[in-house]
This record gives sequence, structure tokens and C-alpha cells, in this order.
Amino acid sequence: IAGITQAPTSQILAAGRRMTLRCTQDMRHNAMYWYRQDLGLGLRLIHYSNTAGTTGKGEVPDGYSVSRANTDDFPLTLASAVPSQTSVYFCASSDSGIGGNEQFFGPGTRLTVL
Amino acid sequence: GQNIDQPTEMTATEGAIVQINCTYQTSGFNGLFWYQQHAGEAPTFLSYNVLDGLEEKGRFSSFLSRSKGYSYLLLKELQMKDSASYLCAFMDSNYQLIWGAGTKLIIKP
Repeated sequence: IAGITQAPTSQILAAGRRMTLRCTQDMRHNAMYWYRQDLGLGLRLIHYSNTAGTTGKGEVPDGYSVSRANTDDFPLTLASAVPSQTSVYFCASSDSGIGGNEQFFGPGTRLTVL
Repeated sequence: GQNIDQPTEMTATEGAIVQINCTYQTSGFNGLFWYQQHAGEAPTFLSYNVLDGLEEKGRFSSFLSRSKGYSYLLLKELQMKDSASYLCAFMDSNYQLIWGAGTKLIIKP
């Protein structure tokens, strides 16, 4: 693994199903983030984690949950998917949650909820 | 409240210079970032400004004026590979990034 990876690359999901998007980084970064990107809108923060064992809510957390059991992994779960959750999801990480540390992004997961 | 604004789309010619503007409003500010995003790919970091002034990095430069809530990204000697979306984002008082919708830059030969 080099950098930050996400799985799956894309997924079509029936409404009401549960789905977990996976994110793994090997840079030993303390902070990790989940964003969604929709056409015409900026990236919107869903949840974040400043360090292993802690998580926080971003701008659009409803319908999503996260966990941070260790430094490397930060899965995002949709408990019961709805069509409005159709989006491209990016996971990102940074050395620290504060200051000018750049965020490194994974390749994204394209999710379609029907 | 907080908001951030940048033009939706710009067109420029190969070899020329283009300036992409970004304006923002926020009560707490911890720096301004620029990212590049090619179609279908992840954003990649270009620059970070926390103090007023110009930061130069090769063909790319970024400027910040905190009093005016204004930043720009300057791209010189444009190349076809610079065709991409350019995202500006400020870090708010909670150290969260607030992102603009991005400026799609089209480079013509």
C-alpha cells in the first residue's frame, strides 16, 4: 500500500441496504476525513477523526457513521442507504488535524443508490 | 455565517497566464488552501497561505489578503495538462476545511 486507498472503487446499491466504504492509509497520519463531492457543490465533510479512538461530526453527518479503531483504518458506514446519498466519496488523511498540513486524498468511491 | 466563492469555469490559451480568484467570509480563519483535481481523480495539494502575500512554487503562485477575504491562484506558461478543476478551501476556527465548488479550467491550443 502506498498512500491512501479506498474500496470499493464504485458500487450500485439498493435503497435501504447497509454499506461500508473502506479507507486505509499507510502514512501514519493522525487525522482522517470523509468527504462527499456532488456536482456543483464543494467537497463537504461528513465525519473526521483527529486521532485513533476519536471521531467528530462534519457538515453533513446524518445517515453516516464512522469508527477509528486504529491509526490506519477509517471506515464509513451508511446504515440504510437513500438515493440522496448518491455521490463520490473521498477519504483523506493529514499528519495533524490543525494547521497547514495538507490533506492527502484517496482515489474515491463512486456510489449510486437506486 | 461562512461562505466561499470562485468562478465556475474559465478558459485560457496554452502558454498564457491565468488567475483564478477565490473570495471567502468567515469569523475564524486558519489558512487558505488550493487543490487541483483532474476529472475523475482525487484532489491534490497545490498551496497553502496563512499570511498575507504571494507564495510562489514553480509555475504556480498563490496570493492571500486576509483583510479582503480574497485569494488567487496564478498559473503561468499554461500547459494542456493544467486542464483541471481548481478548488480553494479555507480552514475555519474548528480546523475544518470549507471548500469552494471549484473552477473548471479549460486550456485551448
